[in-house]
This record gives sequence, C-alpha cells and structure tokens, in this order.
Amino acid sequence: SAVISQKPSRDICQRGTSLTIQCQVDSQVTMMFWYRQQPGQSLTLIATANQGSEATYESGFVIDKFPISRPNLTFSTLTVSNMSPEDSSIYLCSVVIREWADTQYFGPGTRLTVL
Amino acid sequence: SQKIEQNSEALNIQEGKTATLTCNYTNYSPAYLQWYRQDPGRGPVFLLLIRENEKEKRKERLKVTFDTTLKQSLFHITASQPADSATYLCALNTGGFKTIFGAGTRLFVKA
Repeated sequence: SAVISQKPSRDICQRGTSLTIQCQVDSQVTMMFWYRQQPGQSLTLIATANQGSEATYESGFVIDKFPISRPNLTFSTLTVSNMSPEDSSIYLCSVVIREWADTQYFGPGTRLTVL
Repeated sequence: SQKIEQNSEALNIQEGKTATLTCNYTNYSPAYLQWYRQDPGRGPVFLLLIRENEKEKRKERLKVTFDTTLKQSLFHITASQPADSATYLCALNTGGFKTIFGAGTRLFVKA
C-alpha cells in the first residue's frame, strides 16, 4: 500500500483567488490522479498527473482552471484557479503503485469552501 | 457512457445481520469492479476487487458477487458491526487505469 498526505486538509477561500493543493506519497508510484467529490456525489476524475509532462484532463476540466504539476514520482500539486462557490468541494489525490496493479489508494482529501 | 447506480437511500440494519448493497451499471461489463469504503471527511479505502471472470470474492466478513448478465454487483457484510457504518462506493474500470465511481450507499449499523 501507500501512505498519501495532502495539504491543506481544508481551506476557506475568497472568490477569484487560487489555491494549490499538495499531494505527497511515501513511495514512488506509477500513476497519480486528482478527483473532485461534491457533497453527496460520486468522485469525478479531474485529470491524470503525468511525471514531467502535461496532465491529461477529463472532459469538462481544463488546464487553465486546474493546472497540475508532477515533478517526480512521489509528488503532485493541483491548483484551483479563479475560484467560485461552485468549486467548493473535496479534492482527492489517488495513486496506483505499479503499472499492473488495479487498486487505487486515496489521500485524505482537501475540503475547499469558496465564499 | 457507462453509468453506475447505487441505492442513494441509506441502509439501516441491526448489528449482527447481513448488510447487502447493490451496484448496477448500464453499459458494457468492465474488466473488473471494485468496492471502497469511505468514512466522513476521509478518502475512500479499497476493500475488494472482482474480475469479470469471477463470480464471487470473499475477504473475512466481506463478500462480493459479479453478475455480468444482470450488470450487477452485490456487496455483503456478514455479522455487521456498528464500526461497519460508512459509505460504500462501487467503482468500475473503464479502460486503462480510468475508474468511475458510484455515488455510494450509506450504511448504518445499529447496536
């Protein structure tokens, strides 16, 4: 398994500002993903964070709004830019440890509230 | 596109009974299906994975079935305990490492 930490655990932000969320894993992992979970809803995949290259975004998510970095095999950041109240959600980092493994391990999440 | 349906109503059961949660999907059968547990304020935790060629999988008090004809998976917790109270998510592989999640079913086990 993997131990995943996220910072911050929660934040309250003003409309129009940006927040960067960090995801740190205790071991090298093959795949890293960013999800959003709105209250009472399922997890929605935002993007796959690719090491050393641009992230792969899902339909409905764009790099200008959710820039992602992944400088190495253990760390990634997600920025929520120009926030609006609709961005209030829990943001989760997840990893797959090895290319042939199917299980995802999730971080504790970052609870974001935008006023 | 593939969709997952889980009972949005909470499931309330008495301690010691078997809890059964349902996951239905709409389109093609996935290569595998997973169940996760999520506690309030925490990320999902992996429980079980079942592949399309497997009918049933067990782990301690947990059992998962996978019926590709019905497009359904059932998740059972036997001898349920109050500590089993949580939200349980069904997740389908949609190709590569991409996974879609159901909204989850909340389980409450009363002592």
